[in-house]
Amino acid sequence: TQLLEQSPQFLSIQEGENLTVYCNSSSVFSSLQWYRQEPGEGPVLLVTVVTGGEVKKLKRLTFQFGDARKDSSLHITAAQPGDTGLYLCAGRLGGTASKLTFGTGTRLQVTL
Amino acid sequence: EAGVAQSPRYKIIEKRQSVAFWCNPISGHATLYWYQQILGQGPKLLIQFQNNGVVDDSQLPKDRFSAERLKGVDSTLKIQPAKLEDSAVYLCASSFGAGGSNEQFFGPGTRLTVL
Repeated sequence: TQLLEQSPQFLSIQEGENLTVYCNSSSVFSSLQWYRQEPGEGPVLLVTVVTGGEVKKLKRLTFQFGDARKDSSLHITAAQPGDTGLYLCAGRLGGTASKLTFGTGTRLQVTL
Repeated sequence: EAGVAQSPRYKIIEKRQSVAFWCNPISGHATLYWYQQILGQGPKLLIQFQNNGVVDDSQLPKDRFSAERLKGVDSTLKIQPAKLEDSAVYLCASSFGAGGSNEQFFGPGTRLTVL
C-alpha cells in the first residue's frame, strides 16, 4: 500500500478547463511538496507547504495543505498545454531531515 | 549553473547481467540521492549520501544493489545481477544540505530495461 495516494491517476482535459488533483494519506506529514515531471526529465519542485491549512499560489496553480496535515490539493485554473506532465506530491513524515516519500502521481494531458 | 548530470540516459541489458549508472551532482551539494521510479509510480528513495557517508539505505536491495560516493562528489549505482523487476528509471538528485528546507534537484534519469 502506498503512503500517499493521488487521484485521479490520469486526467485529460482541454485548454482553458480547471482541474484539481488530490494527495491523501492516513499519516501526518511535517511538510509536503508538489513536483512536476515531464517525459525524459526528473521532477521539478513547484512548492513546499508546512503549516496545516496553508494555501500557496503560483500563477495559475493553487496548493493547499490540509488542516490535519494528512492531505493536500493542487488546483490549476485555465489549464494550458504547457501544464502537461506528471504531478507528484511528496511528504516528510518526521523532522526536516527525514526522507521524502512520493505519491503515486497524476498524469495530466492538456490538449488544444 | 549546471544541473545534475547522469549517464547513460538509456540502458538495455538481459537479466542476470550487471549495470552501472553514474551521477555528477550540482557543484557544492553535499547531499546526494538515488531514487528508483518504476513506470506508473512515484520515485522511491534507494540511498542517501551526506558527503561520502551513507545516511539512509534502508530501501536499497543490498543483495544486488550497491552505491558509492568515494570522494564525496560523483556517485555510481550498480546492479549485479539484474532482475526483470529492476526495469525502471533511476534518478539521481542532489541538495546543498540534508534538511527539509534544502531543495532537491533531480537529474534526467537513466532508463533501464531488463529483458
